[in-house]
Amino acid sequence: DVKVTQSSRYLVKRTGEKVFLECVQDMDHENMFWYRQDPGLGLRLIYFSYDVKMKEKGDIPEGYSVSREKKERFSLILESASTNQTSMYLCASKGTGAGYTFGSGTRLTVV
Amino acid sequence: GQNIDQPTEMTATEGAIVQINCTYQTSGFNGLFWYQQHAGEAPTFLSYNVLDGLEEKGRFSSFLSRSKGYSYLLLKELQMKDSASYLCAGTPQGGGNKLTFGTGTQLKVEL
Repeated sequence: DVKVTQSSRYLVKRTGEKVFLECVQDMDHENMFWYRQDPGLGLRLIYFSYDVKMKEKGDIPEGYSVSREKKERFSLILESASTNQTSMYLCASKGTGAGYTFGSGTRLTVV
Repeated sequence: GQNIDQPTEMTATEGAIVQINCTYQTSGFNGLFWYQQHAGEAPTFLSYNVLDGLEEKGRFSSFLSRSKGYSYLLLKELQMKDSASYLCAGTPQGGGNKLTFGTGTQLKVEL
């Protein structure tokens, strides 16, 4: 089975800090995604990547950036964390098949 | 348009059948996914419909009508462990790997 691993399950950061969320997949998938999930809003796409060093903005990229230096790793960066970025962050990967495989999520709280 | 609509909450009785509906604008999406998400966990894949009709997989079935922009997930012989959020997600017309998610339907199974 494909495994998607997110480095932290829970994270607490201060306003203004630079935050890195890491995601690693072990099945050589080309496509990787970062979503955030908020009550009443569902999953919203922040950024995605279809190859190493390639990235595209999703629906809500403001305040975020990403890095994909290696195929297996896709990092989400909050340049200067703000309280409205408190959320559940979900990473997913996709190969040639139809479906996504999700990581377990990182619950980020910005205080 | 890119909206996907599904009811916010549903309640059903153990052993019963429940149908969770999902509607979308037909110009937006090609195929429909259903995911299950238990509280605090990652979404897990349930089904994918790209052709019209009913796909049955054990206790779960999913239906798609592309001309009507309508899908449903049917859960039979409900069990307490089926209490979860059910997410409908669409793949874009013309291909592509991004998924657009509905806000999810929280299903509560009661005795």
